[in-house]
Amino acid sequence: GEDVEQSLFLSVREGDSSVINCTYTDSSSTYLYWYKQEPGAGLQLLTYIFSNMDMKQDQRLTVLLNKKDKHLSLRIADTQTGDSAIYFCAESSGDSSASKIIFGSGTRLSIRP
Amino acid sequence: DVKVTQSSRYLVKRTGEKVFLECVQDMDHENMFWYRQDPGLGLRLIYFSYDVKMKEKGDIPEGYSVSREKKERFSLILESASTNQTSMYLCASNPSPPLQKQYFGPGTRLTVT
Repeated sequence: GEDVEQSLFLSVREGDSSVINCTYTDSSSTYLYWYKQEPGAGLQLLTYIFSNMDMKQDQRLTVLLNKKDKHLSLRIADTQTGDSAIYFCAESSGDSSASKIIFGSGTRLSIRP
Repeated sequence: DVKVTQSSRYLVKRTGEKVFLECVQDMDHENMFWYRQDPGLGLRLIYFSYDVKMKEKGDIPEGYSVSREKKERFSLILESASTNQTSMYLCASNPSPPLQKQYFGPGTRLTVT
């Protein structure tokens, strides 16, 4: 079945850029998403990209999509301590009412001073 | 703002008890989901519902059931709680596909002793 994979941990220095990578297997993915989970909280949608786009920028966040390689990345510029969280990549491909989203296992981002 | 609320943040139950977890959303979303989150395993889908009284099994439905009698409310039921159901339970909702921007509740941390 469909799968979404990401590395489990990433550590960056405060002020540097963070790049979180994700690969997926479903070639019919329609939308790809990035969610953020802060400690003790539910997930919060950060951004999403439609599959016919290759880049989307939103303030400090840049999403890059390589559809040929089925690779998605999230770049956070000028990483701050408030960016410490778990980041989940997800994809959806259906348009029927019974469609669901496939999540990766999450990347824990930690910030070094 | 979309709001998804869960009945409890923390719950402690004994093995064999029947457990009800409730989720309510206030944005008239058609789709609602129950996930469990365990360290290193990411989010695993238990059940979802795309309409009142409609339900679909997710990836790990064993030991769980659900109920959706009203559009805004989706309940997860553990018929006879076991220690391996100790986990964080997350509820989410989204409008109809294809764009599935999911909104999550804060989660219920369930401990079964």
